[in-house]
Amino acid sequence: DTAVSQTPKYLVTQMGNDKSIKCEQNLGHDTMYWYKQDSKKFLKIMFSYNNKELIINETVPNRFSPKSPDKAHLNLHINSLELGDSAVYFCASSQAYRGKKLFFGSGTQLSVL
Amino acid sequence: GENVEQHPSTLSVQEGDSAVIKCTYSDSASNYFPWYKQELGKGPQLIIDIRSNVGEKKDQRIAVTLNKTAKHFSLHITETQPEDSAVYFCAASQLDGGTSYGKLTFGQGTILTVHP
Repeated sequence: DTAVSQTPKYLVTQMGNDKSIKCEQNLGHDTMYWYKQDSKKFLKIMFSYNNKELIINETVPNRFSPKSPDKAHLNLHINSLELGDSAVYFCASSQAYRGKKLFFGSGTQLSVL
Repeated sequence: GENVEQHPSTLSVQEGDSAVIKCTYSDSASNYFPWYKQELGKGPQLIIDIRSNVGEKKDQRIAVTLNKTAKHFSLHITETQPEDSAVYFCAASQLDGGTSYGKLTFGQGTILTVHP
C-alpha cells in the first residue's frame, strides 16, 4: 500500500504546453505539500495545504496552480511550461500543519523540451 | 527566512568507516532539525530528527548532535554499509508557530557513497 502516490512518474512535454501532476495520500494526514528538486538535488517547498486551505505559497510563478479537492488529494497544474520548469516534483504529506515527519511520494520527473 | 548550509556535498567512505555530515542554520527561531535519506529514484525518507531542547539523539548506527549556540547540527553514521549509500538532506523548521511553521528548509544534500 503506497502511502503517498503521485502520477505520472515521468512527464515529457514541449514548451508552452499545460500539464498536471496528481497526488494522493492514504495516511489520513491533513497537510500536503509540493516540493521541487532541481538538477543539483536542491529541494525547495512550493506549496502547502492544510485541510484544503493554502498555507504556504513560496513565490512560485502563477503558472503553477495547486488544487486540493479534499484532504487526501493535492494536484499541481502547470500552464505554459518553460524549459526551467524541468525538475523532479515531489508531493508530501504530514499530520498537522506544523510539519514534523513528512512522507514523500516517489516523485514526478518533468522534462520540458 | 531560514537558510541551511550543508557540507560536504559528496562523501566517499569504506564499508565499516564512520561518516559525518554537517549543517548550519541561520534562524535562531528554528527548533526542529530532521534528516532525510533519498535513495535513487525515490522520495526522501525521514531517518532521524532532533528538537532544540535536546543536544544529542541516537538510533542504532545513526546519531544527530545539535549545538544551538553555534547553530549547527551533524549526522553521524557509524559502521557504514553499502546500503547507506544515498543522498542525505538536513533540514530546519519551526514547530511552534512563526511565519515559517510547517515549512522545512533543506540543505543542499550530501551524496554518500559507501564502498564495499
